[in-house]
Amino acid sequence: GAVVSQHPSWVICKSGTSVKIECRSLDFQATTMFWYRQFPKQSLMLMATSNEGSKATYEQGVEKDKFLINHASLTLSTLTVTSAHPEDSSFYICSARDRALRTQYFGPGTRLLVL
Amino acid sequence: GESVGLHLPTLSVQEGDNSIINCAYSNSASDYFIWYKQESGKGPQFIIDIRSNMDKRQGQRVTVLLNKTVKHLSLQIAATQPGDSAVYFCAENKNFGNEKLTFGTGTRLTIIP
Repeated sequence: GAVVSQHPSWVICKSGTSVKIECRSLDFQATTMFWYRQFPKQSLMLMATSNEGSKATYEQGVEKDKFLINHASLTLSTLTVTSAHPEDSSFYICSARDRALRTQYFGPGTRLLVL
Repeated sequence: GESVGLHLPTLSVQEGDNSIINCAYSNSASDYFIWYKQESGKGPQFIIDIRSNMDKRQGQRVTVLLNKTVKHLSLQIAATQPGDSAVYFCAENKNFGNEKLTFGTGTRLTIIP
């Protein structure tokens, strides 16, 4: 149980394009999903907290117009990197919190490379 | 300020030996802790968790110890295997109403065959 999937697992795109990443909880309902960014050999940096049916809460320094988050259902959240630039290249990881528990379960991550 | 830090950034252990990974936290309000394992190129994998009303919790080959007096958390892995090689993160949660996790910097564990 507690499986979280992400799609795509990796993406290469040209500068200026938008990229959408999907995060799904496969066997549980997640009232809250989280989006993280991770640079090589570093810890996870929380970007935003996404609650089903409401606007996401962004961490300080994260541009909400740059990183659009939608949490349309209890099993799906999406992160759209708009007008991506090379500095947006990173490893993006989502997590989902089971509505009955405090544990966050992570997806496998999406590696984004912007050329 | 609040922080969850690890004492050692790297740790090498002979296969079959036991390993101990340590974590210090500074927020006394934290009442829930999780250990994650992250292999290269993958997302963090839940290993074990512990609440502040416990001192010790055991799983399969893993034990988490919590010392609230000195704000210290440790992960013990018994009879290490090559597949245990990964980066291990501790994470804390302050209270049930605050859903965010604060992550430590991570410890890279290398199992020597």
